[in-house]
Amino acid sequence: DVKVTQSSRYLVKRTGEKVFLECVQDMDHENMFWYRQDPGLGLRLIYFSYDVKMKEKGDIPEGYSVSREKKERFSLILESASTNQTSMYLCASNPFDIDSNQPQHFGDGTRLSIL
Amino acid sequence: KNQVEQSPQSLIILEGKNCTLQCNYTVSPFSNLRWYKQDTGRGPVSLTIMTFSENTKSNGRYTATLDADTKQSSLHITASQLSDSASYICVVRGWAGNMLTFGGGTRLMVKP
Repeated sequence: DVKVTQSSRYLVKRTGEKVFLECVQDMDHENMFWYRQDPGLGLRLIYFSYDVKMKEKGDIPEGYSVSREKKERFSLILESASTNQTSMYLCASNPFDIDSNQPQHFGDGTRLSIL
Repeated sequence: KNQVEQSPQSLIILEGKNCTLQCNYTVSPFSNLRWYKQDTGRGPVSLTIMTFSENTKSNGRYTATLDADTKQSSLHITASQLSDSASYICVVRGWAGNMLTFGGGTRLMVKP
């Protein structure tokens, strides 16, 4: 079974702090994604990566950056945390598939609170 | 703008009953549509995927339908169980940009 592991289930940080969310997958997937999930808004894509050191902006990249130095690890960085970044963050991965029929495999999420 | 609308937003049913969740989308051109189940406190897990040429697909007690002409999909759950309590998310992939559009989900609660 594919395993996507997010480093923290719950995290509480203060406004202005630099926050790192880590995600590791064990299936050698090329693609990795970071989403945030808010009630009534569904999942929204922040950033994704289709290869090591490659990154692409999603729908809501402002206030975030990412790092992919190794294939299995994709980090989300909040440069200066703000209260409107309080949310559930989900990491996902899937293999490259030219037909785009491969499902994304999700981690269990990090519930981040910014005080 | 690509949109995926799900209804109802929430649903409560008794154990053993059937239910149907709806998904309407505007994504065009269409590539595929996937239903995910998300248990509380967990990440979404894929239930089924439907491509343009498929009208219906079953996965155990879950049956998904797709009408690509009207841009509608439904997820039918038969003989519901307590473990079906979860959020169900409809996700549509378009050809342009190869990105996904997520619905807001339907929160289902199955009561004993």
